[in-house]
Amino acid sequence: DAGVTQSPTHLIKTRGQQVTLRCSPISGHKSVSWYQQVLGQGPQFIFQYYEKEERGRGNFPDRFSARQFPNYSSELNVNALLLGDSALYLCASSFGQGGTEAFFGQGTRLTVV
Amino acid sequence: GESVGLHLPTLSVQEGDNSIINCAYSNSASDYFIWYKQESGKGPQFIIDIRSNMDKRQGQRVTVLLNKTVKHLSLQIAATQPGDSAVYFCAGPTGGYNKLIFGAGTRLAVHP
Repeated sequence: DAGVTQSPTHLIKTRGQQVTLRCSPISGHKSVSWYQQVLGQGPQFIFQYYEKEERGRGNFPDRFSARQFPNYSSELNVNALLLGDSALYLCASSFGQGGTEAFFGQGTRLTVV
Repeated sequence: GESVGLHLPTLSVQEGDNSIINCAYSNSASDYFIWYKQESGKGPQFIIDIRSNMDKRQGQRVTVLLNKTVKHLSLQIAATQPGDSAVYFCAGPTGGYNKLIFGAGTRLAVHP
């Protein structure tokens, strides 16, 4: 069975540009969460989507946005990239909104230059 | 505010020894904790979880202990192997089990 898949695995962007990251949850999972992991730190919660609706948002600026599609896949968008946005972006999926184990993908390594 | 932190940034052990990784939390209302293992270049991998109505839970070679009195949990790895080398995170929920607060992580280095 396929786990959580994220694309691309790596990318390099220039300051001021926009980026879209993609996530496909485990089949049957309806919840997707996004996390940012800066080098040497633990993941920081950005968004949770369940049944295509935003159910939670972390302390991130409005430059960060996300959406979930009818097939439960999700995109994370970041506008006006800053150097500090360089990080590993992780997607986690679970069956329900809460009370169930979250499975993480391999992440997308974003480098802003 | 809520926080989940780890006592040591790195831990070095000999292969075959037992490892203990510690974690402290501040939110008394937390009722669920998870340990994740993250290898280089990979996403966090679920190891074991524990709910607040338990003091101890055992898995394969791993045991998690929860002390609610001092808001502390630990991960014990028996007979540590080179494949256990990774960064270990404790995490707790905030408002829902998919909204996790992670600590900074402890790097476990296993030496032959």
